[in-house]
Amino acid sequence: EPEVTQTPSHQVTQMGQEVILRCVPISNHLYFYWYRQILGQKVEFLVSFYNNEISEKSEIFDDQFSVERPDGSNFTLKIRSTKLEDSAMYFCANRVRETQYFGPGTRLLVL
Amino acid sequence: AQSVAQPEDQVNVAEGNPLTVKCTYSVSGNPYLFWYVQYPNRGLQFLLKYITGDNLVKGSYGFEAEFNKSQTSFHLKKPSALVSDSALYFCAVRVNTGGFKTIFGAGTRLFVKA
Repeated sequence: EPEVTQTPSHQVTQMGQEVILRCVPISNHLYFYWYRQILGQKVEFLVSFYNNEISEKSEIFDDQFSVERPDGSNFTLKIRSTKLEDSAMYFCANRVRETQYFGPGTRLLVL
Repeated sequence: AQSVAQPEDQVNVAEGNPLTVKCTYSVSGNPYLFWYVQYPNRGLQFLLKYITGDNLVKGSYGFEAEFNKSQTSFHLKKPSALVSDSALYFCAVRVNTGGFKTIFGAGTRLFVKA
């Protein structure tokens, strides 16, 4: 299975702080996604990104969130001012043909 | 609205017995259907998919799933369960929006007892 990697594996932050979650996608595949999973709940779509542009976003993905490809390979999700309810697992995914392959996730805890 | 339903929160089965994890969907157009598995503190691992062709699709670790268009179902099956199959299973459908996002069911926790 193609491998997507994410860093950090865990992050603890104070409410109101900015966090940046990083994803290294599968080489040469240009569709990227971010999802989150609040503990014990379903996996929710946040945003899709293609060719350096957001192609779709959910209602969760408000102005506090942003995505970038800062260096042409890594793919980041930034939360500008974290809230308690942002605590969740965040997964990035890369689409290879019709299948999305997920990274191992970053567990974010906002205190 | 496009959605995926997994009617069972939990499925219990004895090792060696067949298992079924149920999934129904509601999408416009032809569905692209997926099963993923999540082990504790791990990411989502792709198991199998249905795009077109044979209604019975085979995937990783001996799992298979049957696409039934008339019942709008895509149940996950395995002829003989292993204790190591115990995990959280998600059914998912790709929706034909601009970003081709995936919508997930709520998940079904599978317990396989030795």
